[in-house]
Amino acid sequence: GENVEQHPSTLSVQEGDSAVIKCTYSDSASNYFPWYKQELGKRPQLIIDIRSNVGEKKDQRIAVTLNKTAKHFSLHITETQPEDSAVYFCAASGRDDKIIFGKGTRLHILP
Amino acid sequence: DAGITQSPRHKVTETGTPVTLRCHQTENHRYMYWYRQDPGHGLRLIHYSYGVKDTDKGEVSDGYSVSRSKTEDFLLTLESATSSQTSVYFCAIMVGGTDTQYFGPGTRLTVL
Repeated sequence: GENVEQHPSTLSVQEGDSAVIKCTYSDSASNYFPWYKQELGKRPQLIIDIRSNVGEKKDQRIAVTLNKTAKHFSLHITETQPEDSAVYFCAASGRDDKIIFGKGTRLHILP
Repeated sequence: DAGITQSPRHKVTETGTPVTLRCHQTENHRYMYWYRQDPGHGLRLIHYSYGVKDTDKGEVSDGYSVSRSKTEDFLLTLESATSSQTSVYFCAIMVGGTDTQYFGPGTRLTVL
């Protein structure tokens, strides 16, 4: 079955700098890659997603890149702000309508 | 929030007792999912449903059962709760034709 690895598990960046979170997946049939943000005590919220027919997608300060050949995808957050502090999860989906999640990255934005 | 509610939101129970968690949605989505979230493990799929009376196992299904007798409700049952089932449980729906999942607010379950 699908396996999703996510790195790093914890990331601290200075406010205003960029943050990058990386994920790899194992199933070459996976074709949908969402990213979720989870604030303390809240539900995971979808922030951006990408499909396998696209290499990059941007939404304001957030971008996701996908390399199908290498089976990895990344989340980029530019000009980080205090409200970006949260846990971020990558995920992959392709077979039988199930999503497999990475274990999460705790992002700390330092003042 | 995709019209998803979960009940109860918090529950404390004792080892060996049965527990049922409810997920309710108002938008007639076909696919519904139950996950558990534990520190260091992310979100792990317990069971999912692809229609009324149609369910299948996820990666951590042992000790759990589910039922879906109506489109809007997906029930998760712990027949005999154990301390290892202390967790936060999230229900999710998938918007048809998109692969995109949206989560309910979660249920924090503590088994003493």
